[in-house]
Amino acid sequence: DIVMTQSPDSLAVSLGERATVTCKSSQSVLYSSNNKNYLAWYQQKPGQPPKLLIYWASTRESGVPDRFSGSGSGTDFTLTISSLQAEDVAVYYCQQYDSIPLTFGGGTKVEIK
Amino acid sequence: EVHLLESGGGLVQPGGSLRLSCAASGFAFSIYAMTWVRQAPGKGLEWVSAISSSGGSTYYGDSVKGRFTISRDNSKNTLYLQMNSLRAEDTAVYYCAKVNYGDYSIFDYWGQGTLVTVSS
Repeated sequence: DIVMTQSPDSLAVSLGERATVTCKSSQSVLYSSNNKNYLAWYQQKPGQPPKLLIYWASTRESGVPDRFSGSGSGTDFTLTISSLQAEDVAVYYCQQYDSIPLTFGGGTKVEIK
Repeated sequence: EVHLLESGGGLVQPGGSLRLSCAASGFAFSIYAMTWVRQAPGKGLEWVSAISSSGGSTYYGDSVKGRFTISRDNSKNTLYLQMNSLRAEDTAVYYCAKVNYGDYSIFDYWGQGTLVTVSS
C-alpha cells in the first residue's frame, strides 16, 4: 500500500499570508508513460463533505480560486494557498490514485492566526 | 446539478449488517464509476470501495475486504454498500462519491454522508 504522510498536522496563518501543506508518498505516484502524478488534494470544511481542489498534482478543479496551487512530482508534493482567506479554514487532504488501495494523507488543519 | 444522497445509516450491534444506498441524479450515472469513502468521528478519510460503471469490476480496502460488498443498479441510478460482520471500528460517516474517470481515480462530487454507528 502507498502510505501518504502529510505535514504539519495543523498550521495557523494570518489572513493574507501564505499557507503551505506538504504531502509525501511512500512510493512514486508518477506514471512514466504519461508523465502524470496521480495525486489529488481535497478541502473539507467543518460539517461538510470533502471538495476536490487539485488533481494531477497541479491542475485546479473548475471553480477553485487561483490562490490554491499544487506542485511537486514523484513522492513529494505541496499545496499552497497564496493569500489565506477566512473561508479557507478547513482540513486539507492529499490522495494518491496511482494504485489500489487508494489512500489519503492524515490531513492538515489550516486555521487563522 | 449533480446530487448524491446517501441513506441507510444507523445504529447496529457488533456482528450485525447494514445496507447503505446512494441515490444519484444530475449526471449520466451508468457511465461513471462510483466509490465509498468513510470518516470515523474526528478522524481522516479512508477509502472503502469502488465499482466500475458497469458493475463488472469492484475494488476494496483491506479493512473491509470479505465483509463489505459494493454494487449498483444503473436502472435506478443507485449505488449500494452491503456491510456485514460489522465492528466498532466501522463506526463512521460513509460518503458516496462520483469517480471522475476510469474505475478509480479522483472524486469530483460527494454526498453529504450517512452515519453508521456500531455499538452494543
